[in-house]
Amino acid sequence: GAVVSQHPSRVICKSGTSVKIECRSLDFQATTMFWYRQFPKQSLMLMATSNEGSKATYEQGVEKDKFLINHASLTLSTLTVTSAHPEDSSFYICSARVPRTHEQYFGPGTRLTVT
Amino acid sequence: GQQLNQSPQSMFIQEGEDVSMNCTSSSIFNTWLWYKQDPGEGPVLLIALYKAGELTSNGRLTAQFGITRKDSFLNISASIPSDVGIYFCAGHPDSWGKLQFGAGTQVVVTP
Repeated sequence: GAVVSQHPSRVICKSGTSVKIECRSLDFQATTMFWYRQFPKQSLMLMATSNEGSKATYEQGVEKDKFLINHASLTLSTLTVTSAHPEDSSFYICSARVPRTHEQYFGPGTRLTVT
Repeated sequence: GQQLNQSPQSMFIQEGEDVSMNCTSSSIFNTWLWYKQDPGEGPVLLIALYKAGELTSNGRLTAQFGITRKDSFLNISASIPSDVGIYFCAGHPDSWGKLQFGAGTQVVVTP
C-alpha cells in the first residue's frame, strides 16, 4: 500500500506556543489530504480536508484560525496548532487519498501534549 | 450526519478462533474500507471494497460489501496474538465524499 509519513511523532509544548505537524505522501502525489483528531478509546474525528493549492475545508466546530492547514505541494500538508492550550492535547493523524481511488492511507500519528 | 454502526464493540477470543465484526448504515455507501489500528499508531488499510456483493480476502482476513450496500463485514480466521488491536470500518456515502468511520471493534486475543 501507499506510505504516508508524519512528523514529529511526539511533541510536548508549553501553553501559548505554536506547533507544526507535517504530513507527507512518500510514494504518490496526493491532491487531497485529511487531518483527524482522536481521543482515547474513540474513533477518528475529521478536522479538515486539505486540498493542494487551495484553502482547507474545515468541519463544523473546528476553529480555522487555531488549526492552520497548508497544502503547498502534492506531497506535503502541514497542520499548525496555534496558541496551544492543554485541551488541544490529543493524537493527531493525517491521511492522504490516492488519486482516482477511494483509498485513504494514514500517517502514524502525532501525540501532542500541551503543558 | 451519517452514522455507521459497528459491532461488536469489543471481542475477547482465544488464539485460533475466528473473529467476525460488521458495520451497518442507514443509507447506501459506495465504498467500504476496513482498517486496523494498533495503540499509538495510525490506522492501516486492510481491505477496500467497491462493489455490492464483492468478497475480498487479504491473508486470513475476508471482507464483504453487502448486497444492499448498507453493510459490510470483516472476518479474521484462525486468530493469532498480533491480531490484537482496534478494527474500524469506514465508507464513502457518496462518490468523493468524506470518509465516515465506525466506532471500532477492539479485539483481544488470549493465548
